[in-house]
Order: sequence, then structure tokens, then C-alpha cells
Amino acid sequence: NAGVTQTPKFQVLKTGQSMTLQCAQDMNHNSMYWYRQDPGMGLRLIYYSASEGTTDKGEVPNGYNVSRLNKREFSLRLESAAPSQTSVYFCASSARFGSTAQNTEAFFGQGTRLTVV
Amino acid sequence: AQSVAQPEDQVNVAEGNPLTVKCTYSVSGNPYLFWYVQYPNRGLQFLLKYITGDNLVKGSYGFEAEFNKSQTSFHLKKPSALVSDSALYFCAVRDFTRFQKLVFGTGTRLLVSP
Repeated sequence: NAGVTQTPKFQVLKTGQSMTLQCAQDMNHNSMYWYRQDPGMGLRLIYYSASEGTTDKGEVPNGYNVSRLNKREFSLRLESAAPSQTSVYFCASSARFGSTAQNTEAFFGQGTRLTVV
Repeated sequence: AQSVAQPEDQVNVAEGNPLTVKCTYSVSGNPYLFWYVQYPNRGLQFLLKYITGDNLVKGSYGFEAEFNKSQTSFHLKKPSALVSDSALYFCAVRDFTRFQKLVFGTGTRLLVSP
């Protein structure tokens, strides 16, 4: 049982390059999230997907796009990387709230450390 | 908007002593509160949650948290700290107003000295 798997773990990009961060979960969760973690700022939500085929912008969506390919997979794309996007990116998933109140916690991947130079 | 605050950037404690990591919340309605731990170069691991019921919630690795509605607090505690507890701890609240996302505090670094 792998939980939430992110690839790659590390990446260095030049300004203007593009890349896609991949995320997959095997817990049959409906909701998936992309967060970025920056020192002193905690985790901030980039995009959210409530279910297959739906996505919504979070707090800091500029410069990113997402795709919910199917129930398992939720990818994050940087079309033209900027140094301000240097961060650690986390994918997470959770059961849809309301299914049962006991299943409200989110499960996180190991993170992708991205450096844009 | 739903939010949580972690007033301490860092907490230092000696091994064997009790530890407390503080969290206060601001929500409309009933709060759904969580604690996560992050070890170096790792993802966030779920420790415990408060949904309803007993104000003292027990979680993983001997941690517990006390929900206090009058003080709007959800402090993380452990009776006897271990060096291996040294990590970054995040408090979070479920935000039902938007996306049902988790809203995180800024984190508290716990350092347990031998």
C-alpha cells in the first residue's frame, strides 16, 4: 500500500522551462490537493480537485495548471518556471468530507523539491 | 475565514521532560482540527485529529492533544519527550467554506536535546 506517490523527488529547472509534477494515490480518495511549502509560511494550497474531472484554484494558483487525469492521478504543471516557484511541493489526498466524519485527514506524498535558477 | 496560529517558531525541551506545542484556532462552526509532523526531507505524517467527543485526543507515537473550546486552543502534548521527536509540527483546521481544504499553521520546530 503505497499511499500517495509523487515524482520526481528533486528537480532543477532553468527560468522559462516547463515541467509536470506527477501524483498518484491508491486509497480510492476523491479529493486531491497540491500544496507548496515555503519557510515561515506553512503550506499553501495551489489547486484542489474534489473529484475526477473537476479542479479549482487555491490560494496561490498563478503560474500553475493542473489535470485530474482519473481518480488516482493529479498532476501539476509549471508552464514557464520562475525563481519564485522554487519551493517544496506536496500532493495530498483525502476522502470526500461527508462520506464519513472519521475519514477527514489528508495523506501526503514525500514531496518534490524544486529549484528554479 | 478559518485559520490556525502557532505562536512559537521553535520549542526546546530536554529528553524525558513533557512537551507542549501550542495551537489556537479561529473558525465559524465546529472545528475539525489536526496535527501533522514533518521529519527532515519527508512528507507530512498525520498524528491525530479532533472531530467531536472527548477533549483529550490520543494519537500516534505517544502524542495527545487537548481541545479547549473556551480558549480556542488545540495544544499538542507528550508526557516524556524523545530526541527522535525532533521535527516540524503543523496544526491544521478543515475549512468548510472553500474546497474543504486543510488550512495549516506556519509550523513549530521542536528540538529535543539529549
